[in-house]
Amino acid sequence: KAGVTQTPRYLIKTRGQQVTLSCSPISGHRSVSWYQQTPGQGLQFLFEYFSETQRNKGNFPGRFSGRQFSNSRSEMNVSTLELGDSALYLCASSTGTRYPDTQYFGPGTRLTVL
Amino acid sequence: GENVEQHPSTLSVQEGDSAVIKCTYSDSASNYFPWYKQELGKRPQLIIDIRSNVGEKKDQRIAVTLNKTAKHFSLHITETQPEDSAVYFCAASNREAAGNKLTFGGGTRVLVKP
Repeated sequence: KAGVTQTPRYLIKTRGQQVTLSCSPISGHRSVSWYQQTPGQGLQFLFEYFSETQRNKGNFPGRFSGRQFSNSRSEMNVSTLELGDSALYLCASSTGTRYPDTQYFGPGTRLTVL
Repeated sequence: GENVEQHPSTLSVQEGDSAVIKCTYSDSASNYFPWYKQELGKRPQLIIDIRSNVGEKKDQRIAVTLNKTAKHFSLHITETQPEDSAVYFCAASNREAAGNKLTFGGGTRVLVKP
């Protein structure tokens, strides 16, 4: 099976702009979770989507949003970018139904905000 | 919400020695505890996990122990090799309350010296 893929791999934006990141899960997986990884804050949960519905949300401002399509691909959007949004954004896919439900991470999108 | 603390933040060991990483969690309802390894520039990869109804699990040179009463769990790597050098993250989740949300520890950078 192909692994989790994310596009683009690298992005450079300026403050105030918005950005959309994409995640394609492993075939058959219906859950996609998003995480932000920074040197200072580590790995922090953003949200999880399962069958096109947001199932859980972390403690991030409303500028961070996401969605999931019927083919389980997911996108996350960050509006009005701030310098502090510079990070590696990782998505992870899983079946969404098993317990335990192993999460498989994608390679990440490195976002730099100037 | 859940809080996971991980110690030490860095660990240097001689090849062949053992490495131990410890994590504590705050939510007694957490019931799933995975460990991820992240090599430089790579995605986090699951190396072992444990459920709350199990006290210990082993996979070749890697073992994890869980003490639910004390709310802590540990990763043990025996006979360390240079390829074990990476950052290791522990995580905790409460599947019933929070779906696939993983709360991560701050990470431990392990360096295995030849």
